[in-house]
Amino acid sequence: IAGITQAPTSQILAAGRRMTLRCTQDMRHNAMYWYRQDLGLGLRLIHYSNTAGTTGKGEVPDGYSVSRANTDDFPLTLASAVPSQTSVYFCASSEVAGAISANYGYTFGSGTRLTVV
Amino acid sequence: KNQVEQSPQSLIILEGKNCTLQCNYTVSPFSNLRWYKQDTGRGPVSLTIMTFSENTKSNGRYTATLDADTKQSSLHITASQLSDSASYICVVSSSNDMRFGAGTRLTVKP
Repeated sequence: IAGITQAPTSQILAAGRRMTLRCTQDMRHNAMYWYRQDLGLGLRLIHYSNTAGTTGKGEVPDGYSVSRANTDDFPLTLASAVPSQTSVYFCASSEVAGAISANYGYTFGSGTRLTVV
Repeated sequence: KNQVEQSPQSLIILEGKNCTLQCNYTVSPFSNLRWYKQDTGRGPVSLTIMTFSENTKSNGRYTATLDADTKQSSLHITASQLSDSASYICVVSSSNDMRFGAGTRLTVKP
């Protein structure tokens, strides 16, 4: 089934540890995104990639890094996790970059629930 | 202050009843507005999308309206079903940005 796969589904992580959240899509979408979802807040963009080989910072990039070595994979790394990074993380993709026009939509993964203790 | 405000935060209705969810936004300039449904433990899935020139869009029992002058949108759910229990998220796009509302949590009870 075409879509986005995120792993792990959930994780409890000790503060100070390094963690990589994985995201893979099989739709050959050019653009990919990482969001975090916190209670009472809308999804906030962490980092994005308009095409393989390029990345950019979103609204809340501090403490996170990404890479886009190929079209399909877009991992998110927390170099040294802190409790404020406890959240649900969603990876998304869109056929073209800047898919804010009415012609293109986002496909979301099922999320990774991360708890930093 | 969030540029996309949704109300109510949560809502409980009985199966078969109708309900309306609200979205007010300040995002400018406006490009389009989407409503997403997010089931528990899942990612958001698009329900409808409307541009400036559209003031109503239906998808089965879901009908979205848009008033670009007052910057308000609503999502009306008709004859609710238990499977409608989910969070409903309003997303407003400008020319170079996309803002998510915090969502309305709907619970449909038998």
